[in-house]
Amino acid sequence: EVQLVQSGAEVKKPGESLTISCKASGYRFTDYWIGWVRQMPGEGLQWMGIIYPGDSDARSSPSLRGLVNISVDKSTSTAYLQYSNLRAWDTAMYYCARLQSSTWPPLDAFDIWGQGTMVTVSS
Amino acid sequence: EIVMTQSPATLSVSPGERATLSCRASQSVSSNLVWYQQKPGQAPRLLIYGASTRATGIPARFSGSGSGTEFTLTINNLQSEDFAVYYCQQSGNWPTTFGRGTRVEIK
Repeated sequence: EVQLVQSGAEVKKPGESLTISCKASGYRFTDYWIGWVRQMPGEGLQWMGIIYPGDSDARSSPSLRGLVNISVDKSTSTAYLQYSNLRAWDTAMYYCARLQSSTWPPLDAFDIWGQGTMVTVSS
Repeated sequence: EIVMTQSPATLSVSPGERATLSCRASQSVSSNLVWYQQKPGQAPRLLIYGASTRATGIPARFSGSGSGTEFTLTINNLQSEDFAVYYCQQSGNWPTTFGRGTRVEIK
């Protein structure tokens, strides 16, 4: 079964950093882009960034540049989202998702989603 | 970046009826339009890509149409499990962007 399993919920204080993991299984990890999408409470979906595990080519949203770092560990088929200098408004559900194609540019549908990681930022 | 506008924000429909959801792009995305369904407490689920191609396992009562800037998701014979929030996403221009969603609720 193709799946993405994310790490558990996090509670952080403002100014702290965050790392979320996303472990892939059931397919060749290096062949598909992995993206990160967040959803603030009661809101829509915001694309944060994407990475190609085959060569670690990573891109992030211009609005989040400098705050977000996306990486992979090919040996464990795991993608990571690192987010620095958290603020209260970063409280959200964070999802990883697989892009259904491996083409460039990485513009396609996300066909497999992780279960989400709830991040709460509060003093 | 391209702005995706979905309408209406909420749609009240009776079971067995048809729901028609709209998504408009601020500039042409050709046929590079994706629809997702999200139920409470769940991750989004891919329904339609390429504006009109159903994803694996998606029932035929879901159909997508449109090109350029105007797109429609139609759900025929609404079932109880179809009441959810639906998002569109443009996959034609970098970076990809999502709409704010349409909630389909029971009338």
